[in-house]
Amino acid sequence: DQQVKQNSPSLSVQEGRISILNCDYTNSMFDYFLWYKKYPAEGPTFLISISSIKDKNEDGRFTVFLNKSAKHLSLHIVPSQPGDSAVYFCAASDSGGSNYKLTFGKGTLLTVNP
Amino acid sequence: DAMVIQNPRYQVTQFGKPVTLSCSQTLNHNVMYWYQQKSSQAPKLLFHYYDKDFNNEADTPDNFQSRRPNTSFCFLDIRSPGLGDAAMYLCATSRDLGQGVQPQHFGDGTRLSIL
Repeated sequence: DQQVKQNSPSLSVQEGRISILNCDYTNSMFDYFLWYKKYPAEGPTFLISISSIKDKNEDGRFTVFLNKSAKHLSLHIVPSQPGDSAVYFCAASDSGGSNYKLTFGKGTLLTVNP
Repeated sequence: DAMVIQNPRYQVTQFGKPVTLSCSQTLNHNVMYWYQQKSSQAPKLLFHYYDKDFNNEADTPDNFQSRRPNTSFCFLDIRSPGLGDAAMYLCATSRDLGQGVQPQHFGDGTRLSIL
């Protein structure tokens, strides 16, 4: 049973517009969340993270929002650029347990059209 | 640049013929992981080493084994590959500081094909 769900397999946006990628989780013990970006033929690279003590974390064009009551997080990319086209994975961790183990979602393929 | 390197990038083996995938890191991280990822699926953790301590996931088949001879290297051995083992295998590392969650750093993966 998937504990981290990315229900949109793909998303297409125009360059310059906002991209919003969504992630839901079911395990209430998860308290730390990460987003990874993966280009074809490369491994995932860490993008941004958020702890459950926050509801927002921002890094340049990337912002992650966390809604603990809904067990939902989202990644916003503004403005979107063609180079952002990649698969984005949401991952979660239980810092009170094995805080170094991550549970991943299936990923969302983002395509940014010029 | 410090990095995680996986060799080979592509591996073809025959059904039932043992195969070894390798991973090396220059990050000096104490935790190393092996994931299996099939098409359109989430990376699935097979096992990890915390320093020299091996930790197997409950649902990892016995067919999969691992070795970590030193901090820098970790190997994935598949004793008798079946057609269902064809996948991308990802190695990752992280530094566990005892508190907080540190991001994992991934290699570019080895794509394994079974004939």
